[in-house]
Amino acid sequence: EAAVTQSPRNKVTVTGGNVTLSCRQTNSHNYMYWYRQDTGHGLRLIHYSYGAGNLQIGDVPDGYKATRTTQEDFFLLLELASPSQTSLYFCASGQSSYEQYFGPGTRLTVL
Amino acid sequence: SQWGEENLQALSIQEGEDVTMNCSYKTYTTVVHWYRQDSGRGPALIILIRSNEREKRSGRLRATLDTSSQSSSLSITAAQCEDTAVYFCATDDNNNRIFFGDGTQLVVKP
Repeated sequence: EAAVTQSPRNKVTVTGGNVTLSCRQTNSHNYMYWYRQDTGHGLRLIHYSYGAGNLQIGDVPDGYKATRTTQEDFFLLLELASPSQTSLYFCASGQSSYEQYFGPGTRLTVL
Repeated sequence: SQWGEENLQALSIQEGEDVTMNCSYKTYTTVVHWYRQDSGRGPALIILIRSNEREKRSGRLRATLDTSSQSSSLSITAAQCEDTAVYFCATDDNNNRIFFGDGTQLVVKP
């Protein structure tokens, strides 16, 4: 079974704060994705990557940076967090889009 | 958005009943993914149907795809309490990314 882990699982920060969300997959998948999920909405793609050093922009990238340091690790950076970024964040990996494996999520609150 | 009018946001049924969830989409896709999300967890793929399949079954699940009307459905036969979850459909842009709908919350009561 594909394994995707995320840390932290919960994070509270203040407006203007600096936050890094981490994701690791141990399945040698090429693709990794960052999504946000808000109440009443599906998952919206922030950034994704098809390998170390690669970054692709998703549908809601404003206010987010991301970096793929290795095949396994993908980070999401919020350099000046705002209350509008309060959300549930999911990381996923996959060899292609045909099946994405999701992590357990990180709940971020920006006060 | 890739999606047209979202279908029912929430459904509540009794255990043993059959249920169908529908999705419509705006743009061309060759694949429709159906994901299930249990409370407190990330989504998980439950069935994937390609444009040349029209219908696909997996256990008590049945997915259909009508590319002419740009719509897909997911049916669950004899629903059980453990089928309670949010169900998402998603289209594929053939470039290794997918677009999720807003999801349908299904509650199966004992």
